[in-house]
Amino acid sequence: EPEVTQTPSHQVTQMGQEVILRCVPISNHLYFYWYRQILGQKVEFLVSFYNNEISEKSEIFDDQFSVERPDGSNFTLKIRSTKLEDSAMYFCASRAPYTGGNSPLHFGNGTRLTVT
Amino acid sequence: SQQGEEDPQALSIQEGENATMNCSYKTSINNLQWYRQNSGRGLVHLILIRSNEREKHSGRLRVTLDTSKKSSSLLITASRAADTASYFCATAIGAQKLVFGQGTRLTINP
Repeated sequence: EPEVTQTPSHQVTQMGQEVILRCVPISNHLYFYWYRQILGQKVEFLVSFYNNEISEKSEIFDDQFSVERPDGSNFTLKIRSTKLEDSAMYFCASRAPYTGGNSPLHFGNGTRLTVT
Repeated sequence: SQQGEEDPQALSIQEGENATMNCSYKTSINNLQWYRQNSGRGLVHLILIRSNEREKHSGRLRVTLDTSKKSSSLLITASRAADTASYFCATAIGAQKLVFGQGTRLTINP
């Protein structure tokens, strides 16, 4: 069964550094998402992406965050200048192009980002 | 305030018993979905129920939706040790966004 893959599985970075989290969504999916989960807490929506542009973003997704689909297969999340509070699991998800949003999200296994 | 809130936050039962988790939400939805998360892993979709449906079954899973009360329940029958995980409800708002609740941590004791 096709799956969403994320790399790396664990990223350690120093505060103030830039990080890029990478995702390869399922190939025929058209909607892409980033979520994050601080340890033991809820899964928080960051951003949705469709037709090469952001369709919706949350308050968390400020100017330090950006997303890109550079080559038609990868979907990346960049954090320009990491803060300690950015430490979390970051999940990529994709969704098939059914109408009305009535299709499930397929999640990757996440990247654990640790900012020191 | 939270869009989706699960109840209880934690549930511990014996293998073979049924587990029921509840979810309440606040706004109108297109559909409601339940996901499972094993420790340290991604979320796995379990079942989707549309706003015009009241009940849905999938194997040992039964989901109900009451849009008048803005609530849903997930029943897992004949629980197994492998069902130990966190379970999240998620509400689809509009065509794009899926908002997750806090989750219920389910422990099945052998």
